[in-house]
Amino acid sequence: DTEVTQTPKHLVMGMTNKKSLKCEQHMGHRAMYWYKQKAKKPPELMFVYSYEKLSINESVPSRFSPECPNSSLLNLHLHALQPEDSALYLCASSQESLASYEQYFGPGTRLTVT
Amino acid sequence: GENVEQHPSTLSVQEGDSAVIKCTYSDSASNYFPWYKQELGKGPQLIIDIRSNVGEKKDQRIAVTLNKTAKHFSLHITETQPEDSAVYFCAALPSSGGSYIPTFGRGTSLIVHP
Repeated sequence: DTEVTQTPKHLVMGMTNKKSLKCEQHMGHRAMYWYKQKAKKPPELMFVYSYEKLSINESVPSRFSPECPNSSLLNLHLHALQPEDSALYLCASSQESLASYEQYFGPGTRLTVT
Repeated sequence: GENVEQHPSTLSVQEGDSAVIKCTYSDSASNYFPWYKQELGKGPQLIIDIRSNVGEKKDQRIAVTLNKTAKHFSLHITETQPEDSAVYFCAALPSSGGSYIPTFGRGTSLIVHP
């Protein structure tokens, strides 16, 4: 099973709302990632969790707050977003070892900020 | 850091023709090169990958070649079908420093005309 699941598939939120994106994997992977993707662009790294600890934060604004409750779950809490934050938000996971570099993506959450 | 260039940005072929997408990378320490296919409204899907100790890898109609000396790698799709239409991203990962973060190319939109 190489599946990463994400919920919700679509989300529309106002600039004053608080919402959360969820990601789950059951492949035993120890690294999980959040990416932001704009139309016709490659995924842009936001955060990396390694062994449930935040290891990389690519200077993302504080209105995005990641959380890793356990090794299978990853959340992205959203608050006071701007219209330019509208994008496809992708979760990914990998084993993070020299034996296996493969990174598997979820289907994404299409976020629209109004 | 790593820099990955991908060409062409758009590729239009007739069904049954072959398609070739080329990428170059800058960091000689990179040793893992995945290719992702992203269909409209979906997350990127890993379709094939190659490590630096291998020059070519095939999986049915898809093949990837790697030239470490020249620092370039290519995706070859033979007997293209309309369902091959998607955006394809190449990526490169360095093996040093414990980093498993891919650097993506800008993507190639492949259109297969029936």
